[in-house]
Amino acid sequence: DTAVSQTPKYLVTQMGNDKSIKCEQNLGHDTMYWYKQDSKKFLKIMFSYNNKELIINETVPNRFSPKSPDKAHLNLHINSLELGDSAVYFCASSQASLAATDTQYFGPGTRLTVL
Amino acid sequence: GENVEQHPSTLSVQEGDSAVIKCTYSDSASNYFPWYKQELGKGPQLIIDIRSNVGEKKDQRIAVTLNKTAKHFSLHITETQPEDSAVYFCAASKSGGYQKVTFGTGTKLQVIP
Repeated sequence: DTAVSQTPKYLVTQMGNDKSIKCEQNLGHDTMYWYKQDSKKFLKIMFSYNNKELIINETVPNRFSPKSPDKAHLNLHINSLELGDSAVYFCASSQASLAATDTQYFGPGTRLTVL
Repeated sequence: GENVEQHPSTLSVQEGDSAVIKCTYSDSASNYFPWYKQELGKGPQLIIDIRSNVGEKKDQRIAVTLNKTAKHFSLHITETQPEDSAVYFCAASKSGGYQKVTFGTGTKLQVIP
């Protein structure tokens, strides 16, 4: 069974378009994340949700809008795509208990290419 | 905020040799240090972690050491195998839930058969 899944795996689109990436986790975790990995492999957090509530919002252009319909799903919508948005986007989840920081489980990634 | 530096960026070793990856962090309040392995085309996966109340932790061929005073921690892989080839990330965070994990810049390890 896939723990954290993302769709689509590949996304090729034109500049200016709007696109969405979907993420689902079946681990029963309370917290989900979106990360962006650039061409140099640098991993940077974008957003985090806990029980559908936004708890981390890094300095990300407001063209990026996450949505969490329930605690098992976290989607990422991107408006007016730009060349610089090309990257691999990873969804992750963790239990994020108050006792300690927990392991993050990553999805397989969505490779976004903006032409 | 936290800043994590990681060295080297690339590392080639012969199969059977040891590999060492080093990281430093800036926030003395950080107390959780996970290491992730990312294979080609996949998402990162936790391989080992250490918390600041421990100086060393081992799991088979993998070990991590932590020096809180110097604010650095290292990953040691012994008896390397071709399947160890991947990108390795160190990271740092504070405990207490809902904390951001700051990742290092990654080390691409190549194990030559």
